[in-house]
Amino acid sequence: EVQLVQSGAEVKKPGESLKISCKASGYSFTNYWVGWVRQVPGKGLEWMGSVYPRDSDTRYSPSFQGQVTFSADKSINTVYLQWSSLKASDTATYFCARDFYDGRLLPALPAHWGQGTLVTVSS
Amino acid sequence: QSVLTQPPSASGTPGQRVTISCSGSTSNIGSNPVNWYQQLPATAPKLLIFSTTQRPSGVPARFSGSRSGTSASLAISGLQSEDEADYYCAAWDASLNVYVFGTGTKVTVL
Repeated sequence: EVQLVQSGAEVKKPGESLKISCKASGYSFTNYWVGWVRQVPGKGLEWMGSVYPRDSDTRYSPSFQGQVTFSADKSINTVYLQWSSLKASDTATYFCARDFYDGRLLPALPAHWGQGTLVTVSS
Repeated sequence: QSVLTQPPSASGTPGQRVTISCSGSTSNIGSNPVNWYQQLPATAPKLLIFSTTQRPSGVPARFSGSRSGTSASLAISGLQSEDEADYYCAAWDASLNVYVFGTGTKVTVL
């Protein structure tokens, strides 16, 4: 069974850094893109981009390029989403999601989702 | 601001058929498969329909998807109380090079 388990809720101050995690199990970790999706409280879903764990190739939505960093650690089947300097507008729930199809050439199709990590940024 | 537009709400009584529309363009719905997600309150989204018309295993047959030109639809037949949720369409946009979600539709079972 495919499972994605995310790290717990975080409360941070503006300007602080943060790295949240998503641990995968139940499939061949290196063969599927894992993406990140943001959901601001009370709002819709936004695709941020994804990482291909085999070689840590990344693709970012232009809206998030330069604002966040994706990474992967094949040794522990975990992907990460990182901020170097948080803003209040980063307050949201962040979901990781594995693509439906394996391989690096196909467009994104988030299919198996983590439970979400709520990030609150407030002074 | 999403490039895929959905009605903000839809409703029906138990047993009724409800249809949700999703309007896009030639760079997304018009040229790429459409996917639909169901998000129950305070939970992660769940893939409901992929490749425009396909249901992942475990999704009841009363959920169905279709497409015509640059618009897509999700139909829920035999509406049940547990279908009360937010529904999002989504597709790859070849011009923006991003996976775009619709604005979302809240389905209420009266």
